[in-house]
Amino acid sequence: GAVVSQHPSWVICKSGTSVKIECRSLDFQATTMFWYRQFPKQSLMLMATSNEGSKATYEQGVEKDKFLINHASLTLSTLTVTSAHPEDSSFYICSARERGQGITYEQYFGPGTRLTVT
Amino acid sequence: QKEVEQDPGPLSVPEGAIVSLNCTYSNSAFQYFMWYRQYSRKGPELLMYTYSSGNKEDGRFTAQVDKSSKYISLFIRDSQPSDSATYLCAMTEGAGSYQLTFGKGTKLSVIP
Repeated sequence: GAVVSQHPSWVICKSGTSVKIECRSLDFQATTMFWYRQFPKQSLMLMATSNEGSKATYEQGVEKDKFLINHASLTLSTLTVTSAHPEDSSFYICSARERGQGITYEQYFGPGTRLTVT
Repeated sequence: QKEVEQDPGPLSVPEGAIVSLNCTYSNSAFQYFMWYRQYSRKGPELLMYTYSSGNKEDGRFTAQVDKSSKYISLFIRDSQPSDSATYLCAMTEGAGSYQLTFGKGTKLSVIP
């Protein structure tokens, strides 16, 4: 149980274009989803938190107009990197909390999406 | 001082060894602690979740929390080559805040 998928697993795009990454909870409903980015040999850095049907909450220093997050349903959240630049190249990982999880705090992670901007 | 400190390693051990991985933290408000395993180019996989001081065992894995010392550990018994991965500690204050703070991760290699 608690499986999270991401698509695509790897994407290459040209500078200036936009890329959409999907995050799906496959066997549970996710009221809250999180988006992280991870640079090589670095830990996960939280970018934003999204609740189904609400606007995402972005961490300090993360441009909300550049990283558009949509959490349209209890099983799907999307991250769109707009006008991507080479410095946006990174490993993007989503995670989710299960609906009805109660007062527990573990998150279930997707396999990640590697974005390379040329 | 970073909120969560974790030795990045790399740590190399022979197969069958007992592995000890550790994190220290400075925020006494952290109440919930997790260990994740991350294989190269994959997302983190939850291994252990604890919220009280003491030990929690699951198969070959034991998580230990010492809130008074702000120190958590993960022990792996009878380590296997398949345990080779990066291990991340994570923690949160709870009380409705779901944000996790991660350590940098320790890269472990178990040599056959």
